[in-house]
Amino acid sequence: AQSVTQPDIHITVSEGASLELRCNYSYGATPYLFWYVQSPGQGLQLLLKYFSGDTLVQGIKGFEAEFKRSQSSFNLRKPSVHWSDAAEYFCAVGAVDSGGYQKVTFGIGTKLQVIP
Amino acid sequence: EAGVAQSPRYKIIEKRQSVAFWCNPISGHATLYWYQQILGQGPKLLIQFQNNGVVDDSQLPKDRFSAERLKGVDSTLKIQPAKLEDSAVYLCASSLDPGSNIQYFGAGTRLSVL
Repeated sequence: AQSVTQPDIHITVSEGASLELRCNYSYGATPYLFWYVQSPGQGLQLLLKYFSGDTLVQGIKGFEAEFKRSQSSFNLRKPSVHWSDAAEYFCAVGAVDSGGYQKVTFGIGTKLQVIP
Repeated sequence: EAGVAQSPRYKIIEKRQSVAFWCNPISGHATLYWYQQILGQGPKLLIQFQNNGVVDDSQLPKDRFSAERLKGVDSTLKIQPAKLEDSAVYLCASSLDPGSNIQYFGAGTRLSVL
């Protein structure tokens, strides 16, 4: 079974500073990897995804993530954080089972605080 | 394109009462998911439907939770009787087909059990 570890529960950055949120996964084959963002009182919105190909993926809102197979990591980055980026970020790993159904496992999330 | 609709947004009940949540997925999406998100945790899958059939309900506490998707469109999740530990946000998501790698989430229903 797949699993996801987000080692940082809470991160605080200054507006304009760079950001990196860590994510490590466990899965036997090449996984599908996702980053979702959840603003207070809202559902999850997909930021970006990795299925195959280029290991550096671009997402919405200026975010990017890099898949590193050797480190089992899929860290999320943004060069300059805006106050509106304050939210909770979830890394997720997906796999298609023998029946052809997608199974997604979420990490516990990293809460991002942005200070002026 | 309308997103995933959920209602109510908030619900407060006392333990041992019953409660129901409703979800209307994106039009044309065959696969529907219900997740439970306890405070401080990531979403946990409760049940997955493909059209009106259950694909996976291995994590659903069947002694108190039930869900249906009778016409393969909207869905209802019920808890009866509720326990304190059921306090959580219940998220509904849908995807175009079972192998689709992208799920679209509703805003969720926040349940408080007192």
